[in-house]
Amino acid sequence: QVTLKESGPALVKPTQTLTLTCTFSGFSLSTSGMRVSWIRQPPGKALEWLARIDWDDDKFYSTSLKTRLTISKDTSKNQVVLTMTNMDPVDTATYYCARMSGGSGLEWFDPWGQGTLVTVSS
Amino acid sequence: DIQLTQSPSFLSASVGDRVTITCRASQGISSYLAWYQQKPGKAPKLLIYAASTLQSGVPSRFSGSGSGTEFTLTISSLQPEDFATYYCQQLNSYQYSFGQGTKLEIK
Repeated sequence: QVTLKESGPALVKPTQTLTLTCTFSGFSLSTSGMRVSWIRQPPGKALEWLARIDWDDDKFYSTSLKTRLTISKDTSKNQVVLTMTNMDPVDTATYYCARMSGGSGLEWFDPWGQGTLVTVSS
Repeated sequence: DIQLTQSPSFLSASVGDRVTITCRASQGISSYLAWYQQKPGKAPKLLIYAASTLQSGVPSRFSGSGSGTEFTLTISSLQPEDFATYYCQQLNSYQYSFGQGTKLEIK
């Protein structure tokens, strides 16, 4: 059974750097084809994809947030870490990690972690 | 970037109704579309991928169709547990985007 769980601070101050960890089980990110993404959702709003990391350490970022995001993995710990710099109140959201399936342009997110709510406020 | 526009944004229906949600892409995406269901306070759940392939374990009352720029999600007979928000999602040039969501409410 594949499971993912997000962890990190519930509250960060404006201008601070957010670090979130996705701890997963049921698969290995060292296995060919495996990928994990981060997605966020502001309260009452739609989903927004942030970043993706692949088994071979390829990384992809949202064009609009690229300069603020860094994604990395620790295969030995079954973890994916996302950092987002210069946090602002508009970054208040529930942050999800999700395993990805499919390939060659046809990809989807399944399953998802339960999400972690991050509030940006002074 | 490719934009996905869902319609309607809100839908009121009754148990037993047949409902259809549309997702339009700003340019052709072949069949590279997925649908998710999200209930309040919960993570999204994959329903359909490749526009029309039902994810394992998803009830057969859910179906998807379309290709190119227009896609539909149909629920053939609404059940109480189907009242939720639905999102479409696509990938293009390593940028994933979601529709704005369709909230399905009980009439």
